[in-house]
Amino acid sequence: GQSLEQPSEVTAVEGAIVQINCTYQTSGFYGLSWYQQHDGGAPTFLSYNALDGLEETGRFSSFLSRSDSYGYLLLQELQMKDSASYFCAVRSPFSPLVFGKGTRLSVIA
Amino acid sequence: KAGVTQTPRYLIKTRGQQVTLSCSPISGHRSVSWYQQTPGQGLQFLFEYFSETQRNKGNFPGRFSGRQFSNSRSEMNVSTLELGDSALYLCASSLERARDEKLFFGSGTQLSVL
Repeated sequence: GQSLEQPSEVTAVEGAIVQINCTYQTSGFYGLSWYQQHDGGAPTFLSYNALDGLEETGRFSSFLSRSDSYGYLLLQELQMKDSASYFCAVRSPFSPLVFGKGTRLSVIA
Repeated sequence: KAGVTQTPRYLIKTRGQQVTLSCSPISGHRSVSWYQQTPGQGLQFLFEYFSETQRNKGNFPGRFSGRQFSNSRSEMNVSTLELGDSALYLCASSLERARDEKLFFGSGTQLSVL
């Protein structure tokens, strides 16, 4: 089976940078995804990493180290609207997308 | 293009009743997955369907069942409801089931069991 660990809560200041870590255990591995969910809203896709390294999309970046079974989501120039829950998820052969329990990010002024 | 549509948005039931939730995927999407979300527990996988075939089933009791129709619409049913079934039930669709396939989620059905 698969298991993922990520911090339950993170607080950061507006304009700052925050990193949300995710470690995973899985038999077989295709890639690591990140989703964002605002309160009362639907989860939305942010990024996908299949290979080691950093993927950048605007203010958001995602990193993967397959050898360490570790990844992170980096949010720069934080805005109040970034306050949300962030989920990492793994895709493995013959398995559905499995999500972590989520990290609740609070951006404060 | 319309997004994933889930109905109803809110539902209140009592213990012992049964409930059916509906999901209409994005047009052209053939894969539908269902997840249960409760506070602090993240998204727990329920079912995955592709072209009317159940591809995977999560670790939930047999009271939870689902199906997918030829038009890719999907339903899930929960029989003999328990208080612990109170949760947000999310449906997600995708074109295929590729490694890098991203899921498009509906807004969910908030089920309250009293």
